[in-house]
Amino acid sequence: DTEVTQTPKHLVMGMTNKKSLKCEQHMGHRAMYWYKQKAKKPPELMFVYSYEKLSINESVPSRFSPECPNSSLLNLHLHALQPEDSALYLCASSQDQGGIETQYFGPGTRLLVL
Amino acid sequence: GQQLNQSPQSMFIQEGEDVSMNCTSSSIFNTWLWYKQDPGEGPVLLIALYKAGELTSNGRLTAQFGITRKDSFLNISASIPSDVGIYFCAGRSYNTDKLIFGTGTRLQVFP
Repeated sequence: DTEVTQTPKHLVMGMTNKKSLKCEQHMGHRAMYWYKQKAKKPPELMFVYSYEKLSINESVPSRFSPECPNSSLLNLHLHALQPEDSALYLCASSQDQGGIETQYFGPGTRLLVL
Repeated sequence: GQQLNQSPQSMFIQEGEDVSMNCTSSSIFNTWLWYKQDPGEGPVLLIALYKAGELTSNGRLTAQFGITRKDSFLNISASIPSDVGIYFCAGRSYNTDKLIFGTGTRLQVFP
C-alpha cells in the first residue's frame, strides 16, 4: 500500500479565514512533505518533516504553518492567505529523508483564496 | 527554485506511437524518479531508478538512469489514450535532501 490521503479535496476560503489541510499515511514513513503547485508548473517544496520534526522550511511565509502531530499525520494551517496562494497543495511521504528514498504523493487539495 | 531541464515540453502523438522524453541536470544525481500527473490530481510514481546505467521497465514504460548520472530517459511504447497527462522527472543529488523536479512534458494522444 503506497497511499497518501489528503483532505479536503477542494477548499475555498476568504483572506480572513483560518483553515487547515490534512495529510495522512500509514506506510510507516518517517519523512513527510508539503508542496505547492501552480498550474502547468512542477511542485515546489514548502516544508519537510523528518521524524516529526521540521527539518526544511523553504522560506515559506508565516501565513502557512505546518504541524506534525504524529508520524502518520501532517497538517498545514492557513491564515490570512492571499489570492496568489491559490494552488494545488500536495502532501508526500517517504521512508526517510535523504538517501535514495522514493516520495509518494497524495491527491492534493485544490485551494482557492478569494 | 532549481529545476531540471526536461524535453520536449509537449508532445502530440497518435495512438500506437512510441514516446521518448528526457531530463538533464548540471549536477550528479543518485536517484531519478518519473511521475505522471493527471489534471487536478497528485503525481503518481511510475518508475524509480537508483543506479547509474540502470534500465527499469513498468509495463509499456521503460526508464534509464544515465551513465553520467546527469540524465534520465523515459520511453512509452504503443501509446494509448490514457497515457495523456503531464510527465515529470525528479532527481535527488548527493548534497541535498530535496527532490528537484523537471519542468514537465505534456503528452496528448489522439485516437
